[in-house]
Amino acid sequence: GDSVTQMEGPVTLSEEAFLTINCTYTATGYPSLFWYVQYPGEGLQLLLKATKADDKGSNKGFEATYRKETTSFHLEKGSVQVSDSAVYFCALSGSQGNLIFGKGTKLSVKP
Amino acid sequence: GAGVSQTPSNKVTEKGKYVELRCDPISGHTALYWYRQSLGQGPEFLIYFQGTGAADDSGLPNDRFFAVRPEGSVSTLKIQRTERGDSAMYLCASSHLAAYSYNEQFFGPGTRLTVL
Repeated sequence: GDSVTQMEGPVTLSEEAFLTINCTYTATGYPSLFWYVQYPGEGLQLLLKATKADDKGSNKGFEATYRKETTSFHLEKGSVQVSDSAVYFCALSGSQGNLIFGKGTKLSVKP
Repeated sequence: GAGVSQTPSNKVTEKGKYVELRCDPISGHTALYWYRQSLGQGPEFLIYFQGTGAADDSGLPNDRFFAVRPEGSVSTLKIQRTERGDSAMYLCASSHLAAYSYNEQFFGPGTRLTVL
């Protein structure tokens, strides 16, 4: 079945460091891909999405490009802030629009 | 406007008891999803409603789990004869349309269920 694999955390970075969180997927068909974020004490919220191959999703300085040839959707940010500390989930869309999530990567950014 | 709400926020129960978890979706959203998130894991799909009907319940782990959405708005997830392994965060999400893979799902804050 469809699945998502993302790099395990926790990831600890200093402020202004470059961030990459790897995500690869297995799917039949052509799913949409998502990154969701869960800030401490808050619910899941959509960070960015891409609906077809070569699309780039971007939001709040984060970017991810839908790579069909490598079945990847890696999340990047050029300069992280303390406020980016959260758990990040990569996900793909199932046949009924349900989301299939990876296990999550906890990011901690130190000042 | 109001987001997705879930009640209660926390539920502690004893093994073998029956529990109900409630989800109020965003007004006008026809699609509603339930997920279960165990500690250190990503959310796992349980069931999807389009309107009043359960369009896909393939994620329900066994027949102790059941969900309804009688008027196409509020949904209740029901768990019979709870077991310790049912302890998790139960998340509800809604979206404007369904069966279109790019429609954003809006998540509620979740109900944390603890079975003693």
